Order: sequence, then C-alpha cells, then structure tokens
Amino acid sequence: DTAVSQTPKYLVTQMGNDKSIKCEQNLGHDTMYWYKQDSKKFLKIMFSYNNKELIINETVPNRFSPKSPDKAHLNLHINSLELGDSAVYFCASSSGTGAYSPLHFGNGTRLTVT
Amino acid sequence: GDSVTQMEGPVTLSEEAFLTINCTYTATGYPSLFWYVQYPGEGLQLLLKATKADDKGSNKGFEATYRKETTSFHLEKGSVQVSDSAVYFCALGTYNQGGKLIFGQGTELSVKP
Repeated sequence: DTAVSQTPKYLVTQMGNDKSIKCEQNLGHDTMYWYKQDSKKFLKIMFSYNNKELIINETVPNRFSPKSPDKAHLNLHINSLELGDSAVYFCASSSGTGAYSPLHFGNGTRLTVT
Repeated sequence: GDSVTQMEGPVTLSEEAFLTINCTYTATGYPSLFWYVQYPGEGLQLLLKATKADDKGSNKGFEATYRKETTSFHLEKGSVQVSDSAVYFCALGTYNQGGKLIFGQGTELSVKP
C-alpha cells in the first residue's frame, strides 16, 4: 500500500492554464505539506496543514492555493501557470510537526509548463 | 535565521570507498537533525536522525553524530555500494520555524562499480 500518493505523476501544460495536483495519505498523520523541488534539487516548503488547518504558508504567489478537505487529503491548485512554475512538487505527511517527526514523501509530480 | 549548509556535489566514488558528506547548521534552541535520501525518480525518505547533542543516528550502514560544539551532522558510510547512488539531504527542525523542516541544498552521490 502506498503511504503517500500523488496524482498525476507527470503534468505537461501551457502557460496560462489552471491545474490541480492531488495528494492522499493513509498513514493517519495529522500534518501534510507541499514542497517544491527545482531543477537543482533545492527543496522549498510551500504550505503545511494540520488537521485541515493551514499552519505554514511560505511566500508563495497567490496563484497557488492549497485545499484540505480532510486530514488525509491535501490538494494543490495552481492558476495561470507560468514557465517558472515548472518543477517537481512533493506532498508529504508527518504524525506531528515535521521539526521532530519524520516526513513521509510521495513520489512527486513533475510539472512542465510550456 | 536557522539554516543548513551541505558540501557541494556531485560526489563520485568507487564501490567500497569511504563516504563523508559534510553538513553544518545554524540554529537557535535545540534542533533535531535529519538525513534524508532521494533515489532517482522517487520522493525523499528518512535515512537517520538525532534529536540531541552527542546522539548518533544510524541506518543501512550510514551514521551521523550530532555535534553541538562544531554545529555539525556529517554523514558517513564505511563502504559504499552502487545502490547508494542518490541525493542526500541534511535537514534541521526546530519550533522556531513554526515546526517546519529546513533542508540543505542536497548532495548528489554517484558510486561507480
């Protein structure tokens, strides 16, 4: 059973489009995250939710909007896609705050904006 | 603010060579320290962790010791295998940052047969 699953695995789209990435975890964790990994492998946190409540919101353009319908799901919607949004997006979860509890990552969604 | 610095990659080693990947950190308070590994095409997974000074984390032959006096958490393995080829991330976590994990820039390791 996949612990943290993301869909789709690959997403190719044109500038200006709107797209969503879905994430689900079956670990019973309370906290979920979205990370962005650029082409140099640098990882940057975007958002974190704890029990459906937003607790971390880094400096991310308003075009990115997370939504957590329940504590097992955290989706990411991106409006008006730009070339610079091309990256690999990782969903992750943890049983407590990621500062002390290990993060469990999905396998990523590779977004390519043309 | 809190930060993590790793040695630049890529690091290329022959099989059975000794591995060290340096990691130093800057933090207020008492952070936990982690090493995560990312194999090609996959997400990150926890390799080992240490929660207080002088703790040693170990897993799959990898070790790292939390050194508060040198603010370091270097990753070592005595004999690497081709299957260890991956990107390794050092990370620190404190409540100072709202509970988030701060990652280093990653170090790519390539092991040749």
